[in-house]
Order: sequence, then structure tokens, then C-alpha cells
Amino acid sequence: EDQVTQSPEALRLQEGESSSLNCSYTVSGLRGLFWYRQDPGKGPEFLFTLYSAGEEKEKERLKATLTKKESFLHITAPKPEDSATYLCAAPLGGGSQGNLIFGKGTKLSVKP
Amino acid sequence: NAGVTQTPKFRILKIGQSMTLQCTQDMNHNYMYWYRQDPGMGLKLIYYSVGAGITDKGEVPNGYNVSRSTTEDFPLRLELAAPSQTSVYFCASSYSGLAGAPTDTQYFGPGTRLTVL
Repeated sequence: EDQVTQSPEALRLQEGESSSLNCSYTVSGLRGLFWYRQDPGKGPEFLFTLYSAGEEKEKERLKATLTKKESFLHITAPKPEDSATYLCAAPLGGGSQGNLIFGKGTKLSVKP
Repeated sequence: NAGVTQTPKFRILKIGQSMTLQCTQDMNHNYMYWYRQDPGMGLKLIYYSVGAGITDKGEVPNGYNVSRSTTEDFPLRLELAAPSQTSVYFCASSYSGLAGAPTDTQYFGPGTRLTVL
């Protein structure tokens, strides 16, 4: 069964304290691993797409990496404005129709 | 571009009432999706469409209906609303190419918060 699992469910960091969020997946024929950011009361906002193991992408304090079984979202020296829920998603088996399966998300809180 | 827009932002329904959630995108995307998001749960796909006139069920379609008469619009219809349909509903769109090609990024609307009492 296709599945996407995120950990931890919640993460509290002090400003400047670097950490990583995990997304493990069991999806046949992976065709992309997506990271989204969701602020309270808003729709998910696209961050990254990773297509192959070993690929890395960066945006400001965020860096996403992908292996054959999991993806990490590394947050370097976070700021309070990085507080949000981070979602990862993968296309269901094959991905030709774009149907995504989402993890439950990691709620990140960064305190000043 | 406005991207993906949804109306209304909030709605309270009584059990048994019906309503339509509106979704419009101005990016000329061929794929459109409806998700629901419940507290502490991941987004669940309700219905999707690969183009005008073509729709298909997602993971949780019961109690909902959709239509796609134009590329831009993808309304979601709730018939006989039930408390279990209390949720936040998100519409999304993407441009996906030929079968077998990498799936393209989905862009989400701001959501509709629905309460059924």
C-alpha cells in the first residue's frame, strides 16, 4: 500500500537551532517527492520537488534531500517566520494522473 | 494571475442541506483536484479531473459530486450535508504532461472551511 509518513508530528526549536524533518515513503515507481509549507488558515504552498535519489534543493534556510526510501527537510538557523506545518507528498503508484498522497505533516514552532 | 481561487471562505450548513464549493484557476492547468483536510490528518483526495468533461473519484468521494465543463472551473457539490463533512476543503491545479512524465507541481487555493451542524 502506498504510504507517506512524516516525523516528528511536532517540533519546537529555538531560533538558530538547526534540525531536520523526516518523510518516509513506500510508493511504487516514485515520480517525484513534494514538500509544501502550510500556514494556519491557508492552503499549502509549494516548496520543492525532488525526482531522484541523491537530489538536493535549497531555498533560503531550507534544504530538501532524497534517498530511495525517505526525504529530509533540513532547516538551518531557523527564524520564527519559519514556523508552519510542513507537508510532504508523493504521487500514487505511477503518478501519471497527478494524484498525491500526503503525510500528516510536521508542525514546526520556532521561538525567538 | 490570481492562481487558484475558492469561494466561499467559510460556510455553516444544517444537516441535509446542499451547497456548491466553487474553484477557479487562471493558469490554464489541465488537472484539477479537490481535497479535504481534517485536524491532525493529511489531505485526502475527493475527486480529480484531467481536463474538461473528464472527472474521476479519489480516495474519499462519497457524499460529493463534481463537474468540469471548462478548463478554469471545477465546482464541488455536497448533497445532503452530514456532520462528517465538516472539514476544510482545498482545490488545487497542475499541468501534467504525458502519462509517464514526472508529475507537475500542484498549486492550492486558500480553502473553504465548512461546518455542518
